[in-house]
Amino acid sequence: AQSVAQPEDQVNVAEGNPLTVKCTYSVSGNPYLFWYVQYPNRGLQFLLKYITGDNLVKGSYGFEAEFNKSQTSFHLKKPSALVSDSALYFCAVRPNTDKLIFGTGTRLQVFP
Amino acid sequence: EAGVAQSPRYKIIEKRQSVAFWCNPISGHATLYWYQQILGQGPKLLIQFQNNGVVDDSQLPKDRFSAERLKGVDSTLKIQPAKLEDSAVYLCASSLGLLGRARSGYTFGSGTRLTVV
Repeated sequence: AQSVAQPEDQVNVAEGNPLTVKCTYSVSGNPYLFWYVQYPNRGLQFLLKYITGDNLVKGSYGFEAEFNKSQTSFHLKKPSALVSDSALYFCAVRPNTDKLIFGTGTRLQVFP
Repeated sequence: EAGVAQSPRYKIIEKRQSVAFWCNPISGHATLYWYQQILGQGPKLLIQFQNNGVVDDSQLPKDRFSAERLKGVDSTLKIQPAKLEDSAVYLCASSLGLLGRARSGYTFGSGTRLTVV
């Protein structure tokens, strides 16, 4: 079965420190990979995507993600966290169809 | 460009009542999706339209849920009758997407938060 795993329900990090939000996937073929962010009472906002090419993808708000095919991972990273980055983050894969399969989400809490 | 519009923002109904949600996608977006996001879970696709045709409704509980996109633009999602477990945020999204390996991203609406009591 096709699936996305976000092993951490919550990630806590101090402002200014680097952050990593983990994502692994189980999908056949070469899927497209996405990260979305959700703020309270808001819809999902696109952060970045990997389709092909360079394994390090840069996205909005200083976020980046590293695609690792051998580990089937697509971890989200940011060199220096901001309090305003606190939100719910979803990893998603788009297999050989148009639909997105989402992980269960990771709540990022950045402390001042 | 204008985003994906959804209404209402919030809805509270009693179980066994009916409810309908409305979505207006971005102009020109051929593909429209309805997702259900239960608290603490990731969004789950309910139904996907390509223009006014259904592409995927495999996870739509068809005994109580229905959706239509008659003119290939706006869409409505209906629940009749509602159950307690239908409490969730219902997200609409649209994309230019073609069937297959479309590279275009999705744009999500703000969602409708449904509470069934």
